Amino acid sequence: EPEVTQTPSHQVTQMGQEVILRCVPISNHLYFYWYRQILGQKVEFLVSFYNNEISEKSEIFDDQFSVERPDGSNFTLKIRSTKLEDSAMYFCASSGGQGNEQFFGPGTRLTVL
Amino acid sequence: RKEVEQDPGPFNVPEGATVAFNCTYSNSASQSFFWYRQDCRKEPKLLMSVYSSGNEDGRFTAQLNRASQYISLLIRDSKLSDSATYLCVVNEGNDMRFGAGTRLTVKP
Repeated sequence: EPEVTQTPSHQVTQMGQEVILRCVPISNHLYFYWYRQILGQKVEFLVSFYNNEISEKSEIFDDQFSVERPDGSNFTLKIRSTKLEDSAMYFCASSGGQGNEQFFGPGTRLTVL
Repeated sequence: RKEVEQDPGPFNVPEGATVAFNCTYSNSASQSFFWYRQDCRKEPKLLMSVYSSGNEDGRFTAQLNRASQYISLLIRDSKLSDSATYLCVVNEGNDMRFGAGTRLTVKP
């Protein structure tokens, strides 16, 4: 069964450093998403991406965040200058159509020291 | 701010019990609705979509009331493996809004 994959599973970084989180969505999906979940809190939408551009972003997704689909398979989230409060689980998801069910990757746990 | 509200629980039920979760959403323009389950420190996994006519998948039944902006999930004959957090999810176009989840523990 096709699945979303994410790397790395755990990333530890120093405050102020840049990190890139990687995702490989399901191959025939066209819509891609990033979410985050701070420990003990709810899943929060960050950004959606379709047709090589951002289609929606939340207030969390400020100028320190960017997304890219550098080739036909990867979808990345870059955090330019990490802050302590960026520590969270970051989930990538993909869907076959707008409004369709989304399938989530296993997540990357980001720890900012 | 558009919100999705759920009773956080926890719900502690014996095996074989029937349990129901409720969810309300505030954006009347919401387009599609889902229940996901999330195990501790894992990703959300789709449990079922929720259709206006109501739908059933084995022991699970989901209902949607658009007029009241209310979604429900019923689990019959609960199993130990049903223990998880159940997330109500509302799609608003390009944006999925998650409830905070309802924690279920099924005990032997």
